[in-house]
Amino acid sequence: KQEVTQIPAALSVPEGENLVLNCSFTDSAIYNLQWFRQDPGKGLTSLLLIQSSQREQTSGRLNASLDKSSGRSTLYIAASQPGDSATYLCAVHTGTASKLTFGTGTRLQVTL
Amino acid sequence: DTEVTQTPKHLVMGMTNKKSLKCEQHMGHRAMYWYKQKAKKPPELMFVYSYEKLSINESVPSRFSPECPNSSLLNLHLHALQPEDSALYLCASSQRLAETVTQYFGPGTRLLVL
Repeated sequence: KQEVTQIPAALSVPEGENLVLNCSFTDSAIYNLQWFRQDPGKGLTSLLLIQSSQREQTSGRLNASLDKSSGRSTLYIAASQPGDSATYLCAVHTGTASKLTFGTGTRLQVTL
Repeated sequence: DTEVTQTPKHLVMGMTNKKSLKCEQHMGHRAMYWYKQKAKKPPELMFVYSYEKLSINESVPSRFSPECPNSSLLNLHLHALQPEDSALYLCASSQRLAETVTQYFGPGTRLLVL
């Protein structure tokens, strides 16, 4: 059974810092990995999707990398802003197509 | 337009009530999903529909009954729920049931069962 873990569970950084969120998964037979953002009490917003054949994806200040063989992904956020404060979830497509298994999430707070 | 809408935003129901959650998308997506998310936990998949047919049921209790009346609509009928069913219910859609596509999520319905 696929298990997805995210470290740290919570993170507080001052505005302007670059930061890295980590995601690890136990079964490397994934189709792709997706990073989401969730604001309190809200739905999920897709940030980046990395196919299993890719090593990284970039969107603005966000860069996600994937090392499938070691079961790891990182989300790099450059020049963090208070508006980045949210919970970040990684999810892997595994087994049956389109079944997403989510990680435990990292709650990020960016302070002024 | 990459919007998935869900109604109602909030719902309070008793254990003997019958209610329904509604999800709608107009992106032409042919796969739709229901997830359940408990507080401070990640979302867990409940059901997947592909071309209006139930494709995946993750051993969800029968008090939850999904329905996909057309390609744009997904309902979740609720009956005789338990307090532990209180959660955020998220709907999502994707172009098709495939490993290469992104899932788009709605804002969720926050359900409280008394």
